[in-house]
Amino acid sequence: NAGVTQTPKFRILKIGQSMTLQCTQDMNHNYMYWYRQDPGMGLKLIYYSVGAGITDKGEVPNGYNVSRSTTEDFPLRLELAAPSQTSVYFCASSYGGSGVNQPQHFGDGTRLSIL
Amino acid sequence: ILNVEQSPQSLHVQEGDSTNFTCSFPSSNFYALHWYRWETAKSPEALFVMTLNGDEKKKGRISATLNTKEGYSYLYIKGSQPEDSATYLCAFPDAGNNRKLIWGLGTSLAVNP
Repeated sequence: NAGVTQTPKFRILKIGQSMTLQCTQDMNHNYMYWYRQDPGMGLKLIYYSVGAGITDKGEVPNGYNVSRSTTEDFPLRLELAAPSQTSVYFCASSYGGSGVNQPQHFGDGTRLSIL
Repeated sequence: ILNVEQSPQSLHVQEGDSTNFTCSFPSSNFYALHWYRWETAKSPEALFVMTLNGDEKKKGRISATLNTKEGYSYLYIKGSQPEDSATYLCAFPDAGNNRKLIWGLGTSLAVNP
């Protein structure tokens, strides 16, 4: 059982470049999330989705875009990469009804450096 | 968005010691309280999701209690082992939008052999 799979694991980008972080889950979870983790700052929510075709902004959405065309996939796109986007990115998924009362399952993370 | 606070920020204990730490959250409009374990260079792993006042959950040597009326949860580790060294996070659904979690900064536990 693969769970939540993120690719790539590491990436170095130049300022101004774009890229897509891939996330896929095989647990048929309806809720999916993108977080970034900066030292001393904890987990910050970038975007989330409660089902295919539905996405919404989290705390720190600027500079990012998402789409959710299928239940399984939730890619995160960085447009015009900036040094402030250097971080570790985690994708997570869970079952959800009216709220988050089920545990979130995390991918292994993508370590991204913008130089 | 209301905050969740965890204390202490960090903790160093000797192997075999029992320890506990606290998660404080707004007591109004309670929905659920999550605990996660996050080892260095890995990803967070769910320990417990607690929904009822007075709930007590256990997984091996780790247990958690919940008081929704006063807005706190305790995580206990009995007989700490070096492999328990990790950051322990709590999180609760945003009262304004319970589809997303508000995360604490965690308690960093180091268990010395």
